[in-house]
Amino acid sequence: QLQLQESGPGLVKPSETMTLTCTVSDGSISSNSYYWGWIRQPPGKGLEWIGNIYYTGSIYFNPSLKSRVTISVDTSQNHFSLKLNSVTAADTAVYYCVRGNLLAPGAIASGIYFEDWGQGTLVAVSS
Amino acid sequence: EIVLTQSPATLSLSPGERATLSCRASQSISNYLAWYQQKPGQAPRLLIYDASKRATGIPARFSGSGSGTDFTLTISSLEPEDFAVYYCQQRSYWPPMYTFGQGTKLEIK
Repeated sequence: QLQLQESGPGLVKPSETMTLTCTVSDGSISSNSYYWGWIRQPPGKGLEWIGNIYYTGSIYFNPSLKSRVTISVDTSQNHFSLKLNSVTAADTAVYYCVRGNLLAPGAIASGIYFEDWGQGTLVAVSS
Repeated sequence: EIVLTQSPATLSLSPGERATLSCRASQSISNYLAWYQQKPGQAPRLLIYDASKRATGIPARFSGSGSGTDFTLTISSLEPEDFAVYYCQQRSYWPPMYTFGQGTKLEIK
């Protein structure tokens, strides 16, 4: 059964860059049937989509975060990563990596939902 | 950007009762709507997709309905494990943009 596991620093200083990695187990990140993404949730608040990456390397971001976000895939390690630069306290959140099903194999950007979630990792931004 | 508005913010019911949660979209999204359940300290779990289809392993007491702008999640008879926060979610066609409602907290009365 697919497992998604986030990893990264629990504490980041303001203005620095935060890097998180999602390791995929029992599933290939190169599959043309799925897409991979990041969603965050500030403490006590709702869910915010950050961005998705597809097996071709195509990436789509939330416009509100686009200028600060990088998402990449390492197929040799079967993981994908999130970098968020110039962080502030507003970026303090639980960060989830997710997987979604494409509507058809190879149909880039066709996915609508998030079927599988990692357990989440809390990142606090503080000096 | 399509905005999803959930109501009520909090719903207080007892086990065995019927729960009705609402999600309204700021413009028509056809039937491309999902519902997620989130328990404290856990990741959200997909319950319903395409407005009315149950995800794998989801009990039959959960059902979804609606299309266009108005959607409903119904839990026919509440079990103790159903008390949680529920979110609706949609995706805008192009460019892809995913948004969530603000959530409804279902609490034990």
